[in-house]
Amino acid sequence: QQPVQSPQAVILREGEDAVINCSSSKALYSVHWYRQKHGEAPVFLMILLKGGEQKGHEKISASFNEKKQQSSLYLTASQLSYSGTYFCGTEADGLTFGKGTHLIIQP
Amino acid sequence: DTEVTQTPKHLVMGMTNKKSLKCEQHMGHRAMYWYKQKAKKPPELMFVYSYEKLSINESVPSRFSPECPNSSLLNLHLHALQPEDSALYLCASSRLVLETQYFGPGTRLLVL
Repeated sequence: QQPVQSPQAVILREGEDAVINCSSSKALYSVHWYRQKHGEAPVFLMILLKGGEQKGHEKISASFNEKKQQSSLYLTASQLSYSGTYFCGTEADGLTFGKGTHLIIQP
Repeated sequence: DTEVTQTPKHLVMGMTNKKSLKCEQHMGHRAMYWYKQKAKKPPELMFVYSYEKLSINESVPSRFSPECPNSSLLNLHLHALQPEDSALYLCASSRLVLETQYFGPGTRLLVL
């Protein structure tokens, strides 16, 4: 079952913050976050496994709610390099990706 | 080394041709995947191999035939494809199924 991502697109100025949400109607084993730039392969950002978990890497962090049905990706003080399409992936076995959130960072 | 390699980078083929896509990883991963991605769409899972055995086939037409000759290699054999099969084909691997997946750069396929 495909997870639901929101928003579909975000346009930010450099230095602004963004939140991308990913939700499912049923509890998930895990949530994976990937970023894909145009013409390139998806690049792994982070994986969350436990309900209530929060993870961060520099200015990008994510949370997984207690019921394991929703995850959010937080981008703080966005940089131009953050531009791309962000996918959440949920699984059994292989990943089922959401439709993606297109993030555009303007100078 | 977290590299997954794919060859060729680009492929153009006719509907009667037979071709193969190749994927390789040397990270000791025991799970390997094929995904198909159309423009402006998310990757769609096609096949999953776990310990060189096919564990998932997501109702993919038989004109796509996967093969895992050893733990480092994954092939996708193509035969009698249709123009709508034109897409980016991505290979990924993970240490085990359900763990972090690392993607190769993809093969961009055009079927004429």
